[in-house]
Amino acid sequence: QQQVKQSPQSLIVQKGGIPIINCAYENTAFDYFPWYQQFPGKGPALLIAIRPDVSEKKEGRFTISFNKSAKQFSLHIMDSQPGDSATYFCAASIGGTSYGKLTFGQGTILTVHP
Amino acid sequence: NAGVTQTPKFQVLKTGQSMTLQCAQDMNHEYMSWYRQDPGMGLRLIHYSVGAGITDQGEVPNGYNVSRSTTEDFPLRLLSAAPSQTSVYFCASRASQRNTGELFFGEGSRLTVL
Repeated sequence: QQQVKQSPQSLIVQKGGIPIINCAYENTAFDYFPWYQQFPGKGPALLIAIRPDVSEKKEGRFTISFNKSAKQFSLHIMDSQPGDSATYFCAASIGGTSYGKLTFGQGTILTVHP
Repeated sequence: NAGVTQTPKFQVLKTGQSMTLQCAQDMNHEYMSWYRQDPGMGLRLIHYSVGAGITDQGEVPNGYNVSRSTTEDFPLRLLSAAPSQTSVYFCASRASQRNTGELFFGEGSRLTVL
């Protein structure tokens, strides 16, 4: 049972474009939504995260938009660069006694052409 | 800084063989976990631990065992390997049991079961 659905599976943009990756979740108890970035042959690394009490968070060229009523959140990459080419995973977790187990989306392979 | 170290990086097994994937972290993290990554499936939680002597099952625990005798080490045992266990395995750790903060991943162990 996939509780976090991510789309698209793959995405190709030109340098300077603004790729957008979308995620939808089912469990309203989720209260922490991170995005992870993974380069080939490496483990995922935290990129940016948001909690549901805010609608947007920016860190450099990366922005998370959050829509609590629609149970959706998305990652936008401004002025994308070839070095942003990677696999991106959205995730969600519940606090408290669930020990913050992360449920990941299926992943999006992003390619940024020079 | 070593961070999270996984061994081996690559392994080929025959069906029915057993083996142990090693994971060690040098950050004194309470929380450790094992994920498997399969194309189109994202990262799925196998087992996790919130401290020495405490382990619990994740989303896909069947066929795997874990133990946590020290804070630093969290080995994953495959009891009788099956082709369905062909995957890339990631160990990850976090400072807190709570769902805040960054999950640090190792570089992965690629397992092929023939």
